Order: sequence, then C-alpha cells, then structure tokens
Amino acid sequence: AQTVTQSQPEMSVQEAETVTLSCTYDTSESDYYLFWYKQPPSRQMILVIRQEAYKQQNATENRFSVNFQKAAKSFSLKISDSQLGDAAMYFCAYRFSWGSGNTPLVFGKGTRLSVIA
Amino acid sequence: DGGITQSPKYLFRKEGQNVTLSCEQNLNHDAMYWYRQDPGQGLRLIYYSQIVNDFQKGDIAEGYSVSREKKESFPLTVTSAQKNPTAFYLCASSIKQGAARGYTFGSGTRLTVV
Repeated sequence: AQTVTQSQPEMSVQEAETVTLSCTYDTSESDYYLFWYKQPPSRQMILVIRQEAYKQQNATENRFSVNFQKAAKSFSLKISDSQLGDAAMYFCAYRFSWGSGNTPLVFGKGTRLSVIA
Repeated sequence: DGGITQSPKYLFRKEGQNVTLSCEQNLNHDAMYWYRQDPGQGLRLIYYSQIVNDFQKGDIAEGYSVSREKKESFPLTVTSAQKNPTAFYLCASSIKQGAARGYTFGSGTRLTVV
C-alpha cells in the first residue's frame, strides 16, 4: 500500500524567511501525482501545488516550489518570503492514475506551520 | 458557482444514534470521497465512489455506510457501531480521469458525540 510520511509535525518560520516542509512517500508505481494542500484555521482545504511524476522539472507557483526527487521518493515544499497568511496545516498527498479511473488521494499526517511576525 | 456543499457545519449526536452527513456537488464530477480528520492523524479515507450506484471501502470504513444514488450526492451515515465518531469529516470530488487535478473539497462537518 502507498504511504505518505511527513516527519515534521510542527515547524515555524520568521516572516519574510524561507521554510521547507518535508514529505516522503512509498510506491511501486511509476506514473503518479503528488500534491501539497494547505488547511488554514477555517479548515477549508486549498491546493497549493502539484507535481506529475513523469515531469523532471520541479513545479513552482509564485512563492511556493517543490523539490521532487523521484529516486529518493521525496517531495518537499519550499515557501519563500513567508507571510502571516501562510500559517496553516500543510498536507502532502499522493495518487496514481490507472486506465479509466483514479485512485483516492493518500495523505500524510500533516505539518503545522507557524509564522512569526 | 460550482462547488461542494457539506451540511450541517456542526452536528451533535447522542450515543447510540445514527446520523447522516450530507455532501452535494454541482461540478458534474464522477468520483466522490469521504475522509475523516483527527488531530495528528491527517486525513483517512472512509469510503469513495467512482460512479453512481457503486462505492468502495477505504481504510476506516467500519461503523460507516454510504450511498450513491445520484451523481451529485454522496451522503455518509455514521452508525452506532462507530465507537469514536467525534471528528471532522471532509467530502471531496474529482473528475473521472483527472488524477492530475486533485480534489475539490467541501468545507467539512464537525461531528461531536454528546
């Protein structure tokens, strides 16, 4: 079974600084997708960034970027120029695609990020 | 606007009672999912459905039941067999071949046993 591990239950960062959240996963599949979701205090899940495993180039979305290491099965999230609004729970997730369907997302346990003013 | 609506936002249940959480989407998505969120546990899959009238158990299906009679609706019943139902429940949906797009999530239901 696929598993996703986030080894940092809590992290903190100074405003305007950079922070990296770690994620590793276990799979025997070659074609899959990885995601980072943000859950602010409102508890609404927000997609931050996604990565297709077949793409070697790391995904970026404004201040958010990933370091995707396929051989190491590692998918870390880097947040640059951290802002107070980045304070949230962050979840790493995985799914693979098959035939005409999808598998459900498998989530890590999350990392709670605090941003210090 | 298209989206997923979960209701109610807060729900209180007496021990021994069944309760049903509603999840409705108008996105024309094929697949729908139910997750349970507990502190320190992340999101754990309860049930999912890829098409109408079909659904599969997730990792923690015991004590829960679902139905998928309409494409738009995927209600979750928490039965009295679920011994620790107090949690935050999230519903999500996705298109059938949209693995790269992830999910659209509802805003969740907080269930508390009193």
